[in-house]
Amino acid sequence: AQTVTQSQPEMSVQEAETVTLSCTYDTSESDYYLFWYKQPPSRQMILVIRQEAYKQQNATENRFSVNFQKAAKSFSLKISDSQLGDAAMYFCALEYGNKLVFGAGTILRVKS
Amino acid sequence: DSGVTQTPKHLITATGQRVTLRCSPRSGDLSVYWYQQSLDQGLQFLIQYYNGEERAKGNILERFSAQQFPDLHSELNLSSLELGDSALYFCASSVEPAGELFFGEGSRLTVL
Repeated sequence: AQTVTQSQPEMSVQEAETVTLSCTYDTSESDYYLFWYKQPPSRQMILVIRQEAYKQQNATENRFSVNFQKAAKSFSLKISDSQLGDAAMYFCALEYGNKLVFGAGTILRVKS
Repeated sequence: DSGVTQTPKHLITATGQRVTLRCSPRSGDLSVYWYQQSLDQGLQFLIQYYNGEERAKGNILERFSAQQFPDLHSELNLSSLELGDSALYFCASSVEPAGELFFGEGSRLTVL
């Protein structure tokens, strides 16, 4: 079975600082995609960043970057220069064979 | 705005009733996915359609059914509703069967 584990139910970060959210996954597939989605209080699901498993280079989108360790099946999200608008629930997700499996989520609180 | 439209946004109904949730995907997207987000079970994949055909099935109850119509909109039918069916139901769409997902704002179902 394909699983996604987010071991941090909640994290806090000071505005302008850096925070890393952890995610591990388990899959027997060789071809898959990994995602981080953000869900603010509005409940809208917003794609933050995407990583193809066959690519060794870590994906980056502005202040958001990932540390993809394929052998360790780890996919952490680093948010630099945290802003108040980053406060949300963050979901790590694994896509394989037309299915997208989500982790339980990490609530990120940003302190001013 | 993701381009995915879900109606209704909110729905309150009684146990035993039947409801239909509707989703219009982004223009050009052939794949539609349905997800259920409840407090105790996170985001659960229900079902996926691609160009009118069922492509993948997740933890969808037998009381639930879905279909994708020729104009690519999709409907999720929930019948014999129980209190535990109260949740936020998301629709998402993508161009390809395993492409980046764009989520609608969700339909919040409350069963009393």
